[in-house]
Amino acid sequence: GQQVMQIPQYQHVQEGEDFTTYCNSSTTLSNIQWYKQRPGGHPVFLIQLVKSGEVKKQKRLTFQFGEAKKNSSLHITATQTTDVGTYFCAGDPDKLIFGTGTRLQVFP
Amino acid sequence: DTEVTQTPKHLVMGMTNKKSLKCEQHMGHRAMYWYKQKAKKPPELMFVYSYEKLSINESVPSRFSPECPNSSLLNLHLHALQPEDSALYLCASSQGLRGRTIPSYNEQFFGPGTRLTVL
Repeated sequence: GQQVMQIPQYQHVQEGEDFTTYCNSSTTLSNIQWYKQRPGGHPVFLIQLVKSGEVKKQKRLTFQFGEAKKNSSLHITATQTTDVGTYFCAGDPDKLIFGTGTRLQVFP
Repeated sequence: DTEVTQTPKHLVMGMTNKKSLKCEQHMGHRAMYWYKQKAKKPPELMFVYSYEKLSINESVPSRFSPECPNSSLLNLHLHALQPEDSALYLCASSQGLRGRTIPSYNEQFFGPGTRLTVL
């Protein structure tokens, strides 16, 4: 079946360092969404990318959709303690499949 | 109102019990979802309702029975569950349908979840 993998599984950074998580799908996606889930919380929508090669920015967050629409990345510049949580990509070939997630820990 | 509410917040049940999880949204969304999330794992899609009709059932065991009484409400009826069914059950909703049967999976709004423990 279709799989959506993310690397790394965990990332510990010092506050102020950058962070990147990568998302790879075994099949071509019609769109990719990114969600953030704080510890003990529920997933919260961050963004949706639809076009091949699309790049979107939200303040310190930069999202990219690969040219082949099979991979995506999320980059956070100068992490803050409020960035702590698990970041999931979610792809939609015909139903939404969540990636395995990357858990980010930020040390002050 | 951009909130999805779920009740109860926590539920402990025995394997012979019957219980129900409830979800409500007032954003006018016509697609609603049930997900199951085990600790340190991603949400797994269970059911999708589109225009109050079940459009996707991800081969979920019959001990889970969904119901969508109207466009704002979504229930999940539980009966004869197993300990391995213990998890966080998340409800979500979205709009922007491709058709009346398949939602287009635009931004999903998640509820806070029900943490279920089966003894």
